[in-house]
Amino acid sequence: DAKTTQPPSMDCAEGRAANLPCNHSTISGNEYVYWYRQIHSQGPQYIIHGLKNNETNEMASLIITEDRKSSTLILPHATLRDTAVYYCIVIGGSNYKLTFGKGTLLTVNP
Amino acid sequence: NAGVTQTPKFQVLKTGQSMTLQCAQDMNHNSMYWYRQDPGMGLRLIYYSASEGTTDKGEVPNGYNVSRLNKREFSLRLESAAPSQTSVYFCASSESGGLAGWGQFFGPGTRLTVL
Repeated sequence: DAKTTQPPSMDCAEGRAANLPCNHSTISGNEYVYWYRQIHSQGPQYIIHGLKNNETNEMASLIITEDRKSSTLILPHATLRDTAVYYCIVIGGSNYKLTFGKGTLLTVNP
Repeated sequence: NAGVTQTPKFQVLKTGQSMTLQCAQDMNHNSMYWYRQDPGMGLRLIYYSASEGTTDKGEVPNGYNVSRLNKREFSLRLESAAPSQTSVYFCASSESGGLAGWGQFFGPGTRLTVL
């Protein structure tokens, strides 16, 4: 699976959009980009995933560059409850075993 | 829907004791997983079951056994607990029959301490 690189931490003001970047320059054609988050002491939460096209659901939007070497998770109106560690994971084909790295600690400030 | 449920929420064992962590999902998912998370670290896969009747080792299987009892339930057993198995254990499930392209949904975790 392709390796991902994320900043260790980011801050965002409450009510503003949070844009979390992820680099995955070695991604291959059949690999998906997944985003999960983990709020302190809770189980990880699936957010969104995509292959080539941009995706949107009720939680977030996922923007994947045309060359697929990077992506951005967008939380359109961040709230204090969005403070969490966000994980970008690339996985594909018959390998569905998630490997969680260190992720990005997003802190939403009032 | 309850999603993924885990029992117990907390457990304290003495070294050498055995116990079984229970996991159940009500989403009719095919695949189920067991992870552990140690302080300051990401999740590591212990075992997984791609579909009912199959199980396979993950990244850190030593000291554990699993049983896919039916489509809903996937248990994790510690035969002889060791202090190194002190961790938070998460169960997850996904619709996937063994392919990427499906999100995994996690339970609330079991916090295990081995003295």
